Amino acid sequence: NAGVTQTPKFRVLKTGQSMTLLCAQDMNHEYMYWYRQDPGMGLRLIHYSVGEGTTAKGEVPDGYNVSRLKKQNFLLGLESAAPSQTSVYFCASQTGQVVVYGYTFGSGTRLTVV
Amino acid sequence: AQSVTQLGSHVSVSEGALVLLRCNYSSSVPPYLFWYVQYPNQGLQLLLKYTTGATLVKGINGFEAEFKKSETSFHLTKPSAHMSDAAEYFCAVSPGYSSASKIIFGSGTRLSIRP
Repeated sequence: NAGVTQTPKFRVLKTGQSMTLLCAQDMNHEYMYWYRQDPGMGLRLIHYSVGEGTTAKGEVPDGYNVSRLKKQNFLLGLESAAPSQTSVYFCASQTGQVVVYGYTFGSGTRLTVV
Repeated sequence: AQSVTQLGSHVSVSEGALVLLRCNYSSSVPPYLFWYVQYPNQGLQLLLKYTTGATLVKGINGFEAEFKKSETSFHLTKPSAHMSDAAEYFCAVSPGYSSASKIIFGSGTRLSIRP
């Protein structure tokens, strides 16, 4: 089925370790987003991309890096994980027409930093 | 700038009762408005959206929402709750001047259904 695929689904990291979360979409969407979801805080935008080779900071970018080397993939990296980065991470994508389709979300990655 | 306020982080209703989830927005331009639903351990799914035209919009699973510009509200309703409606619901806004604008999400309302 077409959609947004996130890997891994679960991960436990030790403080200071690094990891990369992968988001892949097969809908030829231009725009991709990384959000984190924390209880009572809704979704907060970390970074986003408006096309291959471009990235931009969102609301809470500190401690994260991203890359969009291929149109279909959007990677989120944690260079040195901290307990404050324990969260559920969602990737989303859209065509250039949010009014028509809104965002398509992945199923999330649950990350625990101990 | 756009923002969304969802009144009530948790709403509990009995099965068969009216569901009302409240959302107020702030926008300096005509907004696009959305409701998303998140079932446990899943991503968000689009429930319904308002862009232009008719202010009462219908979505999936019997939900509907009405855009009231004078009240800057976009409340979500369903006449009769079902157990399967238990989920978290997010109201969201996007500036209406650009079809490619980012969506700003509210903090969410968790809906519980009592048997």
